[in-house]
Amino acid sequence: QQQVKQSPQSLIVQKGGISIINCAYENTAFDYFPWYQQFPGKGPALLIAIRPDVSEKKEGRFTISFNKSAKQFSLHIMDSQPGDSATYFCAGEDSWGKFQFGAGTQVVVTP
Amino acid sequence: SQTIHQWPATLVQPVGSPLSLECTVEGTSNPNLYWYRQAAGRGLQLLFYSVGIGQISSEVPQNLSASRPQDRQFILSSKKLLLSDSGFYLCASQGLAGQETQYFGPGTRLLVL
Repeated sequence: QQQVKQSPQSLIVQKGGISIINCAYENTAFDYFPWYQQFPGKGPALLIAIRPDVSEKKEGRFTISFNKSAKQFSLHIMDSQPGDSATYFCAGEDSWGKFQFGAGTQVVVTP
Repeated sequence: SQTIHQWPATLVQPVGSPLSLECTVEGTSNPNLYWYRQAAGRGLQLLFYSVGIGQISSEVPQNLSASRPQDRQFILSSKKLLLSDSGFYLCASQGLAGQETQYFGPGTRLLVL
């Protein structure tokens, strides 16, 4: 059972454009929603995270939008740069510390 | 913040050989520890997690096993490797369940030939 569905599987965006990745979850016990960034051959690194008591969180060019009623959240990468080319994973965590990860989105930013 | 060490970084092993991957954690005490496997271009598959010394839960039946001999040490093992065991193995640590995120190590790339 895939509790966190992530789309699209891959994304190509031009430099300066906006990258948007969407995730939908089923488990209403999730209370923490992180996004991870992974470069080839490296472990995933925490990028930005949100709790369901806020609808939006922004850190630099990265923004999470959260819709609790729809059980959806998304990552927006503004002014995308070639250095943002990576695989992005969303996740949900419940209060017992159990994580469920999305399948990942490969983002390619063209010069 | 936590630092997770994994070794070796890369490993090439013949089919049928044993395996031992090690993960150690700095910067936290009594963490939850996790082993994930990631196939090329794919997502993260949770293999094992541990909430304390000697406490291991398996998520997927397979020929792999895990052990936690010390608070901040997590070991992934196999007695006989299969071709399908090839992949990128990631160790993750979480300091306080429900209050901190998971931090990942640099990973071990395993190729079984």
